[in-house]
Amino acid sequence: DTGVSQDPRHKITKRGQNVTFRCDPISEHNRLYWYRQTLGQGPEFLTYFQNEAQLEKSRLLSDRFSAERPKGSFSTLEIQRTEQGDSAMYLCASSRSGGAGETQYFGPGTRLLVL
Amino acid sequence: GEDVEQSLFLSVREGDSSVINCTYTDSSSTYLYWYKQEPGAGLQLLTYIFSNMDMKQDQRLTVLLNKKDKHLSLRIADTQTGDSAIYFCAESGTYNQGGKLIFGQGTELSVKP
Repeated sequence: DTGVSQDPRHKITKRGQNVTFRCDPISEHNRLYWYRQTLGQGPEFLTYFQNEAQLEKSRLLSDRFSAERPKGSFSTLEIQRTEQGDSAMYLCASSRSGGAGETQYFGPGTRLLVL
Repeated sequence: GEDVEQSLFLSVREGDSSVINCTYTDSSSTYLYWYKQEPGAGLQLLTYIFSNMDMKQDQRLTVLLNKKDKHLSLRIADTQTGDSAIYFCAESGTYNQGGKLIFGQGTELSVKP
C-alpha cells in the first residue's frame, strides 16, 4: 500500500492555458474523489468516481473542468482556459465502498498557480 | 444545506490538553471525521466516529459526539509541538450521497513549548 499519489505536485501556468493533473489511488480502492482547497478554507468536493463511472459532480465544477477515470484506476482532472480563480490546491482521495466507516485517504495534492 | 463550522485558532502550551470543537447541520450524517493537515501537505486521517456512538478513544485522541446538539469535539491529551497543524472536521452524508465529505474551515492549532 503506497498511498494516494498525485502528479505534478506544483504547477504554474498562464491564464488561458490548459492543465491536467493525475491521481493514482490506493490499488484496491474503487472510489476516487477530487476536492479543491483554497487558502484558509477546508477542501470542497468537486466530483467522484466509482470504478470508471463518474457518479456526481459539484456545481463548483464548471464546464471548463473535466475528469476521467478510464479504466477505474488512475484519474485525470483537466482544466481548460485556466483563470486566476482556479489557483488552489487540488486534492485527490480514494476509498473502498461498502465498508464500515468508509474512510477517504488523501494524496499530497497538486498546487496550481495561475498567473 | 450542509454546513460544518469550526473555530479558526487554538493556542495551547506543550503538555496541556487541546480541545477542538465543530458543529454540523446535517442530521443524516453517517460518519464524522477528523483530519490533520500540516503546511503544504495533504490531509491525514486521524480518527472517525459513527453517528450512533457518543465517544471514541484512540491513544491520545478522544472524540466526543453530541448528536442532539450536532456538536463534535476532538481532545488531544499531552499536546506536543508536533501536533501543531490545521485540524479539519468533516461529515459524510447518507450512502446515496456517495460518501463525499463536507469539511469545516479548519482550526489552526499552535502548540507553544
